[in-house]
Amino acid sequence: NAGVTQTPKFRILKIGQSMTLQCAQDMNHNYMYWYRQDPGMGLKLIYYSVGAGITDKGEVPNGYNVSRSTTEDFPLRLELAAPSQTSVYFCASSSGVATEAFFGQGTRLTVV
Amino acid sequence: GQQLNQSPQSMFIQEGEDVSMNCTSSSIFNTWLWYKQDPGEGPVLLIALYKAGELTSNGRLTAQFGITRKDSFLNISASIPSDVGIYFCAGHLVGGGGANSKLTFGKGITLSVRP
Repeated sequence: NAGVTQTPKFRILKIGQSMTLQCAQDMNHNYMYWYRQDPGMGLKLIYYSVGAGITDKGEVPNGYNVSRSTTEDFPLRLELAAPSQTSVYFCASSSGVATEAFFGQGTRLTVV
Repeated sequence: GQQLNQSPQSMFIQEGEDVSMNCTSSSIFNTWLWYKQDPGEGPVLLIALYKAGELTSNGRLTAQFGITRKDSFLNISASIPSDVGIYFCAGHLVGGGGANSKLTFGKGITLSVRP
């Protein structure tokens, strides 16, 4: 199994551009998450989803949007990129509440 | 928001030494998870704990779910160079479902192992 797959691995955006970070999982997990990781700050939750068609905000949702049209996919959209969104983004999935989450390899995004 | 406290931010040990890390919170957690992150990679699960008082081992790693449900520790015995990385604790709050479905992370401890 591939597990959680994120694309792209690296991206440089100009201020004001938009892009979608892709995340797919093949474990039939209901729960999916997007985190951002900044140096020394741990992982902060951006958005999460408990199933297809259901999404909710995490700690730091401003500047991002998500959708969950299928169980497998959970894309993260940046509409107007800002330098503050320079970070490493991780997608994760889990089979249910209070179970372990499995992570993708991350997308390193730089906004210049 | 709910916080998991990990300190210090960095630890430096000699190869072969044991090291202990703990994670505390003012909130009660249903699960405690310990992850390790290597440079350029996503976090990988080391140990999952689901019951208060549970003590679980995975090779040279041992972790415990605190009786109060507000803390957990991770021990690494006989450290080796490949133990280098960032160690995160994470947990799900009691009353899972809705906002408590989310997994909360500590800020992580960067472990360095001197040969």
